[in-house]
Formats: sequence, C-alpha cells, structure tokens
Amino acid sequence: EADIYQTPRYLVIGTGKKITLECSQTMGHDKMYWYQQDPGMELHLIHYSYGVNSTEKGDLSSESTVSRIRTEHFPLTLESARPSHTSQYLCASSAPQDFNYGYTFGSGTRLTVV
Amino acid sequence: QKEVEQDPGPLSVPEGAIVSLNCTYSNSAFQYFMWYRQYSRKGPELLMYTYSSGNKEDGRFTAQVDKSSKYISLFIRDSQPSDSATYLCAMNKGNTPLVFGKGTRLSVIA
Repeated sequence: EADIYQTPRYLVIGTGKKITLECSQTMGHDKMYWYQQDPGMELHLIHYSYGVNSTEKGDLSSESTVSRIRTEHFPLTLESARPSHTSQYLCASSAPQDFNYGYTFGSGTRLTVV
Repeated sequence: QKEVEQDPGPLSVPEGAIVSLNCTYSNSAFQYFMWYRQYSRKGPELLMYTYSSGNKEDGRFTAQVDKSSKYISLFIRDSQPSDSATYLCAMNKGNTPLVFGKGTRLSVIA
C-alpha cells in the first residue's frame, strides 16, 4: 500500500505546454526528492527538499522548478515541455534516519511530450 | 567517470540459481549502501542496506560491501521467478541524496 502518491500516472502533452507533476506523502517525512529515470539509465536527481521552504537543485534541475509549502506536498513544474523531457519521473521521501529505512518511492509519472 | 557503475544486464537465470549482482563506485566518502528492487511500472523499493564494510544477510539475500575495493554485491540464493525485477544499487555519504546505479534487469526462468 503506497504512502506516497504521484499524479498523473501517465501524461501525453504537446511541446511548449506548462505541466505540474504532483507528489504527496502521508508519512510526515521531512525529506523529499524528484528523480528522472530512463530505461537502462541511472536515476538522475532533479530536485530535493529537506523541509518546508527548503529546496535544492540536483543534476538535472535547469529546466524545472519545485516548491515545498507543505510537508506532505512536493510538486515539480516544467515551464515549457520539450520532447527531451519524455521520461519517467519518480518522487521519493525519507525519514531523518534514511540510512535505516531508505527512500519510499511513488509509482512514478510517465511523461510523453509530442 | 560516473560515481556508480552497474552492469545493466539483462541477466537470465534458471529457478534455484544463485545470482550475483555488483556495483563499483569511485567516491571513497560513500558510507551507506543500499539495494533497491523495482518491478515493472512500479517505483523502487528498499531491499537491503549496509553501513560501511561488511556483510548483511536477510533470508535469501546477502549484501556485501568492500570499501577497500569500492565494490558492493548482492547475492540471491535459490532464486525464484518472483525475484524477476530490476535491481538498483544506491549509496551516499550520509545526509546527502542517494546516487543510483543504472540497475540490472534480472529474469528468473521457471
């Protein structure tokens, strides 16, 4: 049973559109992350947050933004979608002692930009 | 050089086989090492974690870390068709985001 929810699961959208991928967790975790995953490739860190009003950029952050206004909510926004953004986007959260419990991942949003 | 290297496979084994999955890394500051399992159309789930060097066993799964060689392994004994999934290694320095390998796709054939 998932405690971290991503919507939508699948999205097909045209080039140039603004999109927001939603991520919510019910575990009260302070830390949240966005990763991008392509088939046969590493998970690449896009953005992360260690608490409300705290966000940091990862390796692939240049074309997206995030916000953390509430502990449970960490949306990812692409201002202008491009075909190169076609990928799977994974949201995760972790408790302070994440080395004990690891990350809890959502099921992902599979984005296709046409 | 990538921080974490993992052979993406795919790897196909018969049911009951012993499976060995491996990762190498370049950052000697990494201290926490994890293995995640990802089924198709799902997010990764934590399978094993190890702090620093040593072995850890959980049922049919054994995780090994050799910090001197910058090499980690996951062994699966008596593999089952339900073990068919992608296995990702991940590691970090502590209070930093995890760095993941590419994942190895495993198929266990009944």
